Amino acid sequence: DGGITQSPKYLFRKEGQNVTLSCEQNLNHDAMYWYRQDPGQGLRLIYYSQIVNDFQKGDIAEGYSVSREKKESFPLTVTSAQKNPTAFYLCASSTIQGYEQYFGPGTRLTVT
Amino acid sequence: QKEVEQDPGPLSVPEGAIVSLNCTYSNSAFQYFMWYRQYSRKGPELLMYTYSSGNKEDGRFTAQVDKSSKYISLFIRDSQPSDSATYLCAMTILDNFNKFYFGSGTKLNVKP
Repeated sequence: DGGITQSPKYLFRKEGQNVTLSCEQNLNHDAMYWYRQDPGQGLRLIYYSQIVNDFQKGDIAEGYSVSREKKESFPLTVTSAQKNPTAFYLCASSTIQGYEQYFGPGTRLTVT
Repeated sequence: QKEVEQDPGPLSVPEGAIVSLNCTYSNSAFQYFMWYRQYSRKGPELLMYTYSSGNKEDGRFTAQVDKSSKYISLFIRDSQPSDSATYLCAMTILDNFNKFYFGSGTKLNVKP
């Protein structure tokens, strides 16, 4: 059963703590993406990766970091430098040639 | 000005109605267009994609693209309560990197 998994579904952290969100895909996709979704603002691109061991900043990368050590995995770390980290985080993947992105179920992060 | 504009709604219709969801865009380089459906607290699900002007039909759904007016639409015929969700339009330029530009989403409520 192919797809994208994100864990955990809900995450609560205290301000000042780093937190890592997991994203795994078994679709054999080369490209992976992280988005942030806030009410009324659509999806904003945080980071993307087209190949293992390579990734690029998106539109709102400040306060976030990623790694891509395996094709299947693209974890996102929300650091204490992110000013407003409470949001719904979505991971997506696609083939390099394809133009459709497939999304995971999302992680809702709440920082207090 | 956002590159993709989408009326946030909410849009409330009775069951069986025809629904029209719309997006406008400013960048004439966009060539590939997608519609996603997102249920509450879930990841977006790809509904339809098209890269040419005109209509594309899939069951009760029809995607329409008018590149001359920079306007895309999604029509839902015989709407059902299960269609109640937020609908996101997305578009991209056909180059090496598939950066997607998303609308903010329209929330649809189909009343039984």
